[in-house]
Amino acid sequence: GNSVTQMEGPVTLSEEAFLTINCTYTATGYPSLFWYVQYPGEGLQLLLKATKADDKGSNKGFEATYRKETTSFHLEKGSVQVSDSAVYFCALSDRYGGATNKLIFGTGTLLAVQP
Amino acid sequence: ETGVTQTPRHLVMGMTNKKSLKCEQHLGHNAMYWYKQSAKKPLELMFVYSLEERVENNSVPSRFSPECPNSSHLFLHLHTLQPEDSALYLCASSQEIRGELFFGEGSRLTVL
Repeated sequence: GNSVTQMEGPVTLSEEAFLTINCTYTATGYPSLFWYVQYPGEGLQLLLKATKADDKGSNKGFEATYRKETTSFHLEKGSVQVSDSAVYFCALSDRYGGATNKLIFGTGTLLAVQP
Repeated sequence: ETGVTQTPRHLVMGMTNKKSLKCEQHLGHNAMYWYKQSAKKPLELMFVYSLEERVENNSVPSRFSPECPNSSHLFLHLHTLQPEDSALYLCASSQEIRGELFFGEGSRLTVL
């Protein structure tokens, strides 16, 4: 079945460091790919998405490119801030009959940014 | 009004209690979801409702009972839970086809 694998955390970085969180997926067909972020004590928020191969999603300085050849959707940011500390989830959409979408999530990667 | 609102935010219950979690969405979406988030595990999809009709039930124990009276409201009724059911329960909604889910802040459940 479809699945998502992301790097285990925690990832600990100093402020202004470069961030990469790896995500690879297994899927039949052509799923959409997502990164969600969960700040402490909150629910998940969509960070960015890509709906087809070679698309690049971007938001708040974060980027991820949908790579079909490597089945990857790695999250990157050039210069992290303390406020980026959160748990990041990679996900893919697994559509089944009808109008609804089912998101399959990775286990999440905790990012801790130190001043 | 925020997009997806969940109440209560925190709930502590004994194994013999009956309680309910409530979710309300103000986004005009037509699908709603319950997810369970446990430590060090991927989010688990529990239930999906599309146009108020249940379309997915991922082998969830019968002590969890969902209810979707209309497209804006979703409940999760809880009865005779186990300590391992302690988790963050997240509600989400989506509009058909787009694939993007909007989540509430979650209800943190502790079963004693």
